[in-house]
Amino acid sequence: DTAVSQTPKYLVTQMGNDKSIKCEQNLGHDTMYWYKQDSKKFLKIMFSYNNKELIINETVPNRFSPKSPDKAHLNLHINSLELGDSAVYFCASSDRTGGVGEKLFFGSGTQLSVL
Amino acid sequence: AQKITQTQPGMFVQEKEAVTLDCTYDTSDQSYGLFWYKQPSSGEMIFLIYQGSYDEQNATEGRYSLNFQKARKSANLVISASQLGDSAMYFCAIPIQGAQKLVFGQGTRLTINP
Repeated sequence: DTAVSQTPKYLVTQMGNDKSIKCEQNLGHDTMYWYKQDSKKFLKIMFSYNNKELIINETVPNRFSPKSPDKAHLNLHINSLELGDSAVYFCASSDRTGGVGEKLFFGSGTQLSVL
Repeated sequence: AQKITQTQPGMFVQEKEAVTLDCTYDTSDQSYGLFWYKQPSSGEMIFLIYQGSYDEQNATEGRYSLNFQKARKSANLVISASQLGDSAMYFCAIPIQGAQKLVFGQGTRLTINP
């Protein structure tokens, strides 16, 4: 059983389109995240949610809208895709809220390519 | 603000040798922790090891150990008896206390040669 699953694994789309990435965790965690990994492999947080409530919005363009229907799901919708949005997007969850030892469990990533 | 630095963009090591991946950090928190994650070519992020600043002994997990030197603000990952499957990107990360996020270093690409 996959702990954090995200779909799709690959997403190829044209500039200007709208797309969504879905994420689900079966670990019973309260906190979920979206991270972006750019072409240089740099990982940066985009959003975090705690029990469906937005906690962190890390100056991400408002074309990106996360949605958490329940604490086990955190989806990412992207409007008007741009070339610069091409990256790998990781969903993650954690078992502690803001604690020092907060370990992240990652999904397998979604490679988004905008043409 | 927390800052984390990995100064080795790439490393090449012979199979069965030990390897040390460097990580230095800067934090104003009194209590903090350091994580190491592995990202193989398949892309997933795999948790390897964690140590809190309050832990007296360096953490070990199988062939992985953390060489935590608080005075130098370094938390290096040591992999003993390297294997071909250890070839991957390795990231160290530090949490921002109370902010519910991990800040990652730039990563080190480790290649194990047969």
